[in-house]
Amino acid sequence: AQSVTQLGSHVSVSEGALVLLRCNYSSSVPPYLFWYVQYPNQGLQLLLKYTSAATLVKGINGFEAEFKKSETSFHLTKPSAHMSDAAEYFCAVTLGNDMRFGAGTRLTVKP
Amino acid sequence: AAGVIQSPRHLIKEKRETATLKCYPIPRHDTVYWYQQGPGQDPQFLISFYEKMQSDKGSIPDRFSAQQFSDYHSELNMSSLELGDSALYFCASSPPRLAGGPYEQYFGPGTRLTVT
Repeated sequence: AQSVTQLGSHVSVSEGALVLLRCNYSSSVPPYLFWYVQYPNQGLQLLLKYTSAATLVKGINGFEAEFKKSETSFHLTKPSAHMSDAAEYFCAVTLGNDMRFGAGTRLTVKP
Repeated sequence: AAGVIQSPRHLIKEKRETATLKCYPIPRHDTVYWYQQGPGQDPQFLISFYEKMQSDKGSIPDRFSAQQFSDYHSELNMSSLELGDSALYFCASSPPRLAGGPYEQYFGPGTRLTVT
């Protein structure tokens, strides 16, 4: 069965610093991978998705993720953190009807 | 752009009562999913419907049931509520699937259920 593991439940960066949120997947076949962001008391918003068309995926708000099959990873990055990026980030995988989420990483951005 | 609509946004019930949560998917989306997110937890898949038929089942308790209607809206019915049912309940919808395409899901704002 497919699953994702997010390394680090909390990540803290300074404003303007690089953001790196880690996600590793476990799947016997090429999966569909996603990153979602959740702001307090809100629903999940799709940041980006891996479609197998390109290994480097660009999403909204300046985020991007790179699919690395050799490392079974799909880490999320942003070159320069902004205060508004503070939120919970979920990596997710699906092969069919149910989407499996990682435990989430809470990103804190310090001024 | 239209988004997934959920109602109510907040609901307070007592133990052993029943609750009905409603979800209106994005127009022309044919699949609806329900998730439960406990405090500090990741969303857990409950159940999904494709073209009004149940398509997959996750960790949905037997006390819960759901259905999708002819207009594609879905309702999650919860009976004999327990304190542990207090959570955020998300509905998501996805568009018709292209061959080989990803099944991205678009989430609603959620219904916060509090059981007292």
